[in-house]
Amino acid sequence: GAGVSQSPRYKVAKRGQDVALRCDPISGHVSLFWYQQALGQGPEFLTYFQNEAQLDKSGLPSDRFFAERPEGSVSTLKIQRTQQEDSAVYLCASSLALGQDTGELFFGEGSRLTVL
Amino acid sequence: QKEVEQNSGPLSVPEGAIASLNCTYSDRVSQSFFWYRQYSGKSPELIMSIYSNGDKEDGRFTAQLNKASQYVSLLIRDSQPSDSATYLCAVNQRAAGNKLTFGGGTRVLVKP
Repeated sequence: GAGVSQSPRYKVAKRGQDVALRCDPISGHVSLFWYQQALGQGPEFLTYFQNEAQLDKSGLPSDRFFAERPEGSVSTLKIQRTQQEDSAVYLCASSLALGQDTGELFFGEGSRLTVL
Repeated sequence: QKEVEQNSGPLSVPEGAIASLNCTYSDRVSQSFFWYRQYSGKSPELIMSIYSNGDKEDGRFTAQLNKASQYVSLLIRDSQPSDSATYLCAVNQRAAGNKLTFGGGTRVLVKP
């Protein structure tokens, strides 16, 4: 498809397990963002890539969270030793623009993580 | 104080009426402002962007920006049941590395 694709759509993990969430952005989109959205809340910024470079990771809540985009296209968000407070929807967004000048982020459908 | 604040609602409006949504932000250097619509269980989608003081109209939607008051609003005219969704205000702060900061969203319910 032509949109941002995320997988898995749903993930249930036991506390302490590691998870990996994948994002396939729109082809040609330079910028890629990860957001975390808790139930009933707005999306919270996690990290930003411009091509393969991670330019901002200030929103990652702890060192258990790690993101990469090695070839400047597909990105993976990894969460190690998951905790219950990690339960949320993880949204990936991409943009043709450098940075967020236009704010025209195209979001994927998200990966809903539930940690038991 | 949150960087971007919205009333969580729900804002209940009758079909055909005007829905008025408000958003305030704390950082005076903010330069770009956006409204996203999010249906339940779906991802946010951009509906309006505004960069300068005043009004911007697009179909049934009007965005209003007042940088002096650090206030941005969204009006939805002739509200339809299909407008029932959560509306997210987002602010771009270039000084913060082009981070797009979202408010908590306002849930709108349009009753037939």
